[in-house]
Amino acid sequence: EDQVTQSPEALRLQEGESSSLNCSYTVSGLRGLFWYRQDPGKGPEFLFTLYSAGEEKEKERLKATLTKKESFLHITAPKPEDSATYLCAVPNTGFQKLVFGTGTRLLVSP
Amino acid sequence: NAGVTQTPKFRILKIGQSMTLQCTQDMNHNYMYWYRQDPGMGLKLIYYSVGAGITDKGEVPNGYNVSRSTTEDFPLRLELAAPSQTSVYFCASSPGSENTFGSGTRLTVV
Repeated sequence: EDQVTQSPEALRLQEGESSSLNCSYTVSGLRGLFWYRQDPGKGPEFLFTLYSAGEEKEKERLKATLTKKESFLHITAPKPEDSATYLCAVPNTGFQKLVFGTGTRLLVSP
Repeated sequence: NAGVTQTPKFRILKIGQSMTLQCTQDMNHNYMYWYRQDPGMGLKLIYYSVGAGITDKGEVPNGYNVSRSTTEDFPLRLELAAPSQTSVYFCASSPGSENTFGSGTRLTVV
């Protein structure tokens, strides 16, 4: 069964304290891994798509990387406005349906 | 460009009542999806559509129905509402890869 597991469930950082979020997956024939940001009371907002092991993408203080079994979302010198839930997802085997992890709730304190 | 628009934003239903959650997109995407999000459980796929006139079940379809008469609209019908359907519902559309989400409908069944 296709599964996506994210860790940690919650992470509290001080402003400027860098860290990483993890997303591990089990799927036959990976056809992309997606990262989303979700703010309270809003729908998920697309951040990145990664397609092959070794690929990296960056956006402001965020950098996503991909290996054969997991992805990391690195947050460098975070600011309070980076506080959100970060979700990762992979397409299910057979079709472009996304299987989502349960997310990491990030809180960055000033 | 509005993206994905969901209505209503909030709704309280009594057990046994029915309602339709509306979703429309203006990006000419072929793929559309309905998810529900429960606390700590991640996003679960209810139904999806690959184009007008074509729909299929996702992971948790029981108690719901959909139709797709146009590319733009993908309404979700709840028949005989039950407390287990209390959740936040998200509609999304996709050209075939990453999803664009609406802002959600928070539904409470009492």
